[in-house]
Amino acid sequence: DTGVSQNPRHKITKRGQNVTFRCDPISEHNRLYWYRQTLGQGPEFLTYFQNEAQLEKSRLLSDRFSAERPKGSFSTLEIQRTEQGDSAMYLCASSLDAGFNEQYFGPGTRLTVT
Amino acid sequence: GQNIDQPTEMTATEGAIVQINCTYQTSGFNGLFWYQQHAGEAPTFLSYNVLDGLEEKGRFSSFLSRSKGYSYLLLKELQMKDSASYLCAVLDSNYQLIWGAGTKLIIKP
Repeated sequence: DTGVSQNPRHKITKRGQNVTFRCDPISEHNRLYWYRQTLGQGPEFLTYFQNEAQLEKSRLLSDRFSAERPKGSFSTLEIQRTEQGDSAMYLCASSLDAGFNEQYFGPGTRLTVT
Repeated sequence: GQNIDQPTEMTATEGAIVQINCTYQTSGFNGLFWYQQHAGEAPTFLSYNVLDGLEEKGRFSSFLSRSKGYSYLLLKELQMKDSASYLCAVLDSNYQLIWGAGTKLIIKP
């Protein structure tokens, strides 16, 4: 399967714990995006990478969120000191270089903070 | 601010035609995407419009009017499997996708 993969698919954690999600993009794609989606809403942009460089981060994103893409391949998204409001689906997408290329989404990681 | 509006929910009958509208106000415009999202699944790409006019792809067509800040997705010969949410997204001047909340389409037999 050469699509975008994400792990884990589901994560249940207690408030205050740290969680880390992984995304493996399509191999020839150098852009990688992280989004958050809640029920009945469209994806909300979190951050994106061009190769290993993090080029933009949403102004709405708390300092508790951090993302890395150390070798320009897979990426991780970490949420520290989770809050109940962090409960959502976290989607990863990848695309070829130019912004107008379609983004291919992974299946998402559903986070539930209790 | 940036804003994308689309109806929250629409209902249509199997075999019929439905048009889902999207209006947008964004800082710059580098194209408009339509994605389909089945419940519990990731969005999948349907179409991309950057010039005015109609793009046809099988049973699905997408129209764009840049002067009116308006697009629609037209679905013909509706099938039960078309029941899904349809997301409109605009690529702004920074080449970031601004997403609408999606239109939930319910298909009835």
